[in-house]
Amino acid sequence: AQSVSQHNHHVILSEAASLELGCNYSYGGTVNLFWYVQYPGQHLQLLLKYFSGDPLVKGIKGFEAEFIKSKFSFNLRKPSVQWSDTAEYFCAVSKNYGGSQGNLIFGKGTKLSVKP
Amino acid sequence: DSGVTQTPKHLITATGQRVTLRCSPRSGDLSVYWYQQSLDQGLQFLIHYYNGEERAKGNILERFSAQQFPDLHSELNLSSLELGDSALYFCASSVAGQTNEKLFFGSGTQLSVL
Repeated sequence: AQSVSQHNHHVILSEAASLELGCNYSYGGTVNLFWYVQYPGQHLQLLLKYFSGDPLVKGIKGFEAEFIKSKFSFNLRKPSVQWSDTAEYFCAVSKNYGGSQGNLIFGKGTKLSVKP
Repeated sequence: DSGVTQTPKHLITATGQRVTLRCSPRSGDLSVYWYQQSLDQGLQFLIHYYNGEERAKGNILERFSAQQFPDLHSELNLSSLELGDSALYFCASSVAGQTNEKLFFGSGTQLSVL
């Protein structure tokens, strides 16, 4: 079955540190890849997505992710984190075979705590 | 504000009971998804409706059912509730349910089964 793995359950960083959150998926076909973020007390919202083209995708708030097909990975990065980046980050994948079946398979999430 | 409304925000009930969770999608969105979030399982896809029709089923128990009404709001019915059904239930919507579309999530309904 299709699955998404996020390697870190909880990451603690100081402000200005660089961030990389790992994500691997198991599906072998063409996929669409997403990172969603959930700030404390808020709803899930999209950070960035990849479905074709340049494998380096830029999202909101200075985040970027790189799709490496050979490694089935879609890692999230940010060069310098801020206290306001404290949140839970979810990697997700949807199978790209057309049609109206955009249901996402999510990883279990990584909690990021940024110390001021 | 995502534009997706879920009610109620919190629900406390007893084992064996039945509850209904409601979701109103963003204006103009035809697709509604339901997800269950628990500590051990993470975010699990339950079911997807598009314009009133069921499009995909995930890890949804037979005790659970859903529907999408002509006005596009959706309800998730959970029956014969068990302690393990305690979780946060999210609804999300998108314009057409395509695989590369962004989903807009509601704030969730926290269900506690005692």
